Amino acid sequence: EVQLVESGGGLVQPGGSLRLSCAASGFIFSSYLMHWVRQVPGKGLVWVSRINGDGTITTYADSVKGRFTVSRDNAKNTLYLQMNSLRAEDTAVYYCAREFYNDLRNWGQGALVTVSS
Amino acid sequence: DIVMTQSPDSLAVSLGERATINCKSSQSVLYKPNSKNYLAWFQQKPGQPPKLLIYWASNRESGVPDRFSGSGSGTDFTLTISSLQAEDVAIYYCQQYYTTPLTFGGGTTVEI
Repeated sequence: EVQLVESGGGLVQPGGSLRLSCAASGFIFSSYLMHWVRQVPGKGLVWVSRINGDGTITTYADSVKGRFTVSRDNAKNTLYLQMNSLRAEDTAVYYCAREFYNDLRNWGQGALVTVSS
Repeated sequence: DIVMTQSPDSLAVSLGERATINCKSSQSVLYKPNSKNYLAWFQQKPGQPPKLLIYWASNRESGVPDRFSGSGSGTDFTLTISSLQAEDVAIYYCQQYYTTPLTFGGGTTVEI
């Protein structure tokens, strides 16, 4: 069974940094592209970033480009999202998702990030 | 960016009745070399992550009840719940995966 478990969320001050992790199991992690998607509580879904299987190709939404970095450790079956220069508008639940034949087939339960002083 | 527009924003349907949700993309998500529409539908219930219902516009994900169906091509798509059940109360999103940035519709709330 595919499982994705996010961790690392919490309260951070504006301008601060946070790193999210997504532990994957139940599939060959290195064979799949992985994504981060976020959702402001009560609002819609917004795609954040994507990384290919070996970690060499990354893509970002314009709203986070230059501030967020997606990476992965295939030996640890873990996806990361390093978030720097955080802003109030980055407050959201962050989901990791596995891409399967192009669609976002499997999602984690999400990690809440709150940016506030 | 491809803009996804859903309608209506919300709808109330009686148990056993049909629910229809529309989704329009600002440009075609049909990839002609393989004739596939890069369009998915998700269901999200409170406190839960989105759940994939439909991919390639009309393929039902494993385990999804057959009362859920997707149709359409190019820029216009529809999600139909043929006979609404109580457990179908949720927010439904369409999403294009034709190109990055991946984009989602604003969501449609389905109520009884």
